[in-house]
Order: sequence, then structure tokens, then C-alpha cells
Amino acid sequence: DTAVSQTPKYLVTQMGNDKSIKCEQNLGHDTMYWYKQDSKKFLKIMFSYNNKELIINETVPNRFSPKSPDKAHLNLHINSLELGDSAVYFCASSRNPRGGASASGYTFGSGTRLTVV
Amino acid sequence: ELKVEQNPLFLSMQEGKNYTIYCNYSTTSDRLYWYRQDPGKSLESLFVLLSNGAVKQEGRLMASLDTKARLSTLHITAAVHDLSATYFCAAPTFFMDSNYQLIWGAGTKLIIKP
Repeated sequence: DTAVSQTPKYLVTQMGNDKSIKCEQNLGHDTMYWYKQDSKKFLKIMFSYNNKELIINETVPNRFSPKSPDKAHLNLHINSLELGDSAVYFCASSRNPRGGASASGYTFGSGTRLTVV
Repeated sequence: ELKVEQNPLFLSMQEGKNYTIYCNYSTTSDRLYWYRQDPGKSLESLFVLLSNGAVKQEGRLMASLDTKARLSTLHITAAVHDLSATYFCAAPTFFMDSNYQLIWGAGTKLIIKP
């Protein structure tokens, strides 16, 4: 009964490969997010979807493409992987709209540690 | 544009001591969130502070919010080794009428030595 689940947990791949990370939430939340956490622990927002609509699209290489088939799922596809893509990627979800529903903040998945060699 | 700053970014302390982590944010916000991250693990919600003057406590951790000063503090009392982790604060910024995004501090890495 995991609330936000990501797969895979670890991903080791060669430069130039294409890979996907999947995320699913069973909390009934409206909004899902992808974050990148670098080696210094800094959290960088990448994308966010609200009920399948892209609402945050930060400046990331266009090799990264999110897909949300429904509001419970948000996947991240990465083309032509580079060494600098190595990081931990977190999926998160939250309730919306404002004014009360945000009282719970975000619920995070367990993270996917991506290593590009 | 909302910015969130934490200090210190690194804190090494002895067990049994008290200390405070500070979280300042740059524009008006009526709520503030604290999260904990253990090494190699995900982020876990610690406290959600929803109004000016809010104070929440769990065990040896106490968080407070002063919206007028745009400041939240996370106070550790009589620290124990199990509290070693990275602590993040975050404040919400709202957009598109009904959406919000959390803006995160850089995190405070806390090491508690026996």
C-alpha cells in the first residue's frame, strides 16, 4: 500500500542510452512532480502535472520528457543519457487547489538513483 | 520570486546539546514545511506550519513559524545520534489560480556525534 512508488530504484546505464522512470501514486492527489537531487542534495524541480496537464516545465534539456497518462501516473523518459544526468530523481505528489488542500505538502517516492557510465 | 534560505548548511554537534536551524523566506507566505532526509532515503514530512505563531513539536524537535519576520526555526533539544539527517524547509508559491509549488531551501546536514 505504498503511497508514491517509483521504479526502478537503481538504474545504471551507459552514455547515449534511453531510459524511463515510472511513478505511480495511490493517494488520489491531483498533482505530480519530478525533482532532480544532485550530489549536494539540492532539489531542482523539473516538471509538474496537474490532472494530466503540464503546469511546470523548468529549464531542463529537451532530452527529458515527462508523460502523464492519467493523474495517478507520471513517467520520465530520458534520451541520449549523459554523465551529468547522474543523480537521484524523486517523484512527488500533492493535493490542490490552494487554501487548505496544500496543508499536507508533498508526498515523495523513494527515489531512483541513476548512474550514467 | 520566492527564495528560501537555510542556515547553517552544515551542523556538527555533540549528543545532548541544543541547537536551532533557521529558515528565512523572501516573500509573504502563510505556511512553511519541514522535511527530513536520511542518507540514501527519500524525504519525509516532519512538520507543516499553517499560520503565524504556529508551533509544533515531536520528540526532541520543535518547529515554529513567524510570518511577519518570514522566519521558521527548527529547534533540536538534547540531540541524539538518531536525529542525524539532512533537514529541508520549503515555502509554497501559488500560480495559475489553484496550483502551488514548494520552493526549497538548500538543506541543513546535521551530524550528531556520540
